[in-house]
Amino acid sequence: IQLTQSPSSLSASVGDRVTITCRASQGISSDLVWYQQKPGKAPNLLIYAASTLQSGVPSRFSGSGSGTDFTLTIYSLQPEDFATYYCQQVNSFPLTFGGGTQVEIK
Amino acid sequence: EVQLLESGGGLVQPGGSLRLSCAAPGFILRSYAMSWVRQAPGKGLEWVSLVDTSGGTTLYADSVKDRFTISRDNSKNTLSLQMNSLRAEDTAVYYCAKGRGGSYPESRTFDFWGQGALVTVSS
Repeated sequence: IQLTQSPSSLSASVGDRVTITCRASQGISSDLVWYQQKPGKAPNLLIYAASTLQSGVPSRFSGSGSGTDFTLTIYSLQPEDFATYYCQQVNSFPLTFGGGTQVEIK
Repeated sequence: EVQLLESGGGLVQPGGSLRLSCAAPGFILRSYAMSWVRQAPGKGLEWVSLVDTSGGTTLYADSVKDRFTISRDNSKNTLSLQMNSLRAEDTAVYYCAKGRGGSYPESRTFDFWGQGALVTVSS
């Protein structure tokens, strides 16, 4: 299953609302996960089951979607949110990741 | 909080072998599926392999099948990845990743990751 993320990069300002899209090549129900990765660090789990917030993750992060189309929204972007975001499907093997979306400071 | 510590990375010649290990001091891993995920320099994430809670079921990406072997020792609370016939394209940071649980879909969602072990395949 191929995952296509868009955009591949974006520039935004603190306080902006940011939306990242992940499209699966076939239906995956709600088997979609989102991670955040900062330079030189391991990824950090944000959202699983398409819309369930991982414990400890700020509520400004929100996930939605099912089937083939999914969205990660960051409401009111904070300085610590500048990072690369990846989606991952857990519906079938091989597990696959999207190509990533780099969120940069405008 | 779970801490995963990888070891065993380094420089190896094409065709060579390397073994990565992952330990979780102070946390019992036996109830969780475990995976290896890699990231080539400047590139995205690639899932490599998964082992179930007992070690009886192992799964691999096509790119490493028949060359890499994942295993776990629940008595020692460790995870391993034996990498043989290494190629330049295997150069990456390899992360040990813990599944949220032992069965679908939790086993395939990674809630804790190690710091990563760099594997460089070059002559």
